[in-house]
Amino acid sequence: GAVVSQHPSRVICKSGTSVKIECRSLDFQATTMFWYRQFPKQSLMLMATSNEGSKATYEQGVEKDKFLINHASLTLSTLTVTSAHPEDSSFYICSAKHSLLNTEAFFGQGTRLTVV
Amino acid sequence: RKEVEQDPGPFNVPEGATVAFNCTYSNSASQSFFWYRQDCRKEPKLLMSVYSSGNEDGRFTAQLNRASQYISLLIRDSKLSDSATYLCVVILEMFSGGYNKLIFGAGTRLAVHP
Repeated sequence: GAVVSQHPSRVICKSGTSVKIECRSLDFQATTMFWYRQFPKQSLMLMATSNEGSKATYEQGVEKDKFLINHASLTLSTLTVTSAHPEDSSFYICSAKHSLLNTEAFFGQGTRLTVV
Repeated sequence: RKEVEQDPGPFNVPEGATVAFNCTYSNSASQSFFWYRQDCRKEPKLLMSVYSSGNEDGRFTAQLNRASQYISLLIRDSKLSDSATYLCVVILEMFSGGYNKLIFGAGTRLAVHP
C-alpha cells in the first residue's frame, strides 16, 4: 500500500524553540494532507487540512501563527511548531490522501514531541 | 453535537466472543467511511472501508446505514491481537474549499482477554 513517511519520529526541544515536522507521501501524489495531535489516552484531534499550493485550513482553536503548515508540493507537507511550550508536548500525526474521494488516507508514523 | 461519535468503551471481551461497535455521524453529506485501528502509541492503520452494501473481510464485517447515519463494525471470534482502539472515520467533500475533510471518532477501546 501507499506509504507516508513522517520525520522525526521523536524530538525533544527546549521551551521557546521551534520544531519542524515533515510528512512525505512516497509513492503517490497527496493533494490533501491532514495534521493531527493526540494527547495521551485521548482521540486524534484534527489541527488543520492543507492542500498543495494553497493555505492550510485550521480547525477552531488551533493557532495558525503557532502551527505553521506548508504544503509546497504534492509529496511534502511540513508542520512547524513555533515557540514551543511544554503544553505543546504531544503526538503529532500527519495523514495524506489522494484527491479521489473514495480512497483512504495513509498515516505517517507520528512524531512524539517533548518540550522541556 | 460531535461530527462523529463513538462509544469510548472499553469493551472487555473473552477470546472467541463477537463484539460490535457503532459509530454515528452528523453530516448527511458525508461521502466515505472507514474503520481504522490504532494500537497504543502508534499511528492509525486502515482496517477496512465501509460500503453501502456492507462488506466483510475475514472475521470483520462493516456496514453502513445512510438513513440513520451510522456505521458498524462486527468482529467475530475475537483474538487477543484484536485488542486496540477502533476509530470510525468519515470523509466529507468540501466543495467550497475543493478538498476532502477527514473526521475521526474518538475511538472505541477493545480489550480481549484469555
